[in-house]
Amino acid sequence: GAVVSQHPSRVICKSGTSVKIECRSLDFQATTMFWYRQFPKQSLMLMATSNEGSKATYEQGVEKDKFLINHASLTLSTLTVTSAHPEDSSFYICSARQREGQAYEQFFGPGTRLTVL
Amino acid sequence: GQNIDQPTEMTATEGAIVQINCTYQTSGFNGLFWYQQHAGEAPTFLSYNVLDGLEEKGRFSSFLSRSKGYSYLLLKELQMKDSASYLCAVMDSNYQLIWGAGTKLIIKP
Repeated sequence: GAVVSQHPSRVICKSGTSVKIECRSLDFQATTMFWYRQFPKQSLMLMATSNEGSKATYEQGVEKDKFLINHASLTLSTLTVTSAHPEDSSFYICSARQREGQAYEQFFGPGTRLTVL
Repeated sequence: GQNIDQPTEMTATEGAIVQINCTYQTSGFNGLFWYQQHAGEAPTFLSYNVLDGLEEKGRFSSFLSRSKGYSYLLLKELQMKDSASYLCAVMDSNYQLIWGAGTKLIIKP
């Protein structure tokens, strides 16, 4: 399957700082990328959907000014958690969609574990 | 509303067969996905069904019945490493994935 990389894999930061997470599709062009958050023992929660070259679409309850998403190219999307607080500590996972004919496949990055002290 | 139902937890024995069911009600249908997620890791893609029937891929098979809004993931010759959560997701008419809460599969020796 296609490969999606995510960096960093783990980050610990102080409250009030900003953290940037990169997501790259390594061997395919992803017109659509997704950002998820997952708290321990809970299901994936979609935060936002981003299409290359346009503004991200945020899910209800997700603050777009706090979680800045940039999808500058077909292979790169970034999520910036601004002024992070302890409640933002979570596992953040990006996903990139590839279309093969009439079929869609969605591949996940390895995730970024964010801990805000 | 949109809804994906799957059992919360299942237990099976090493070497046996287990079937994880998923029922769904969504606005439109553009395919159903199964993912495996080990604790602390991101999900990995297992299968995609868009037409009715059975798709076999090694020890794993996935079945879909669109008329019944039903799918199952069949795991054969279970191994200890198959202990994980299995996520069912449906792509709706807007091509968005609607996720089930996942089924935690526990494999016992």
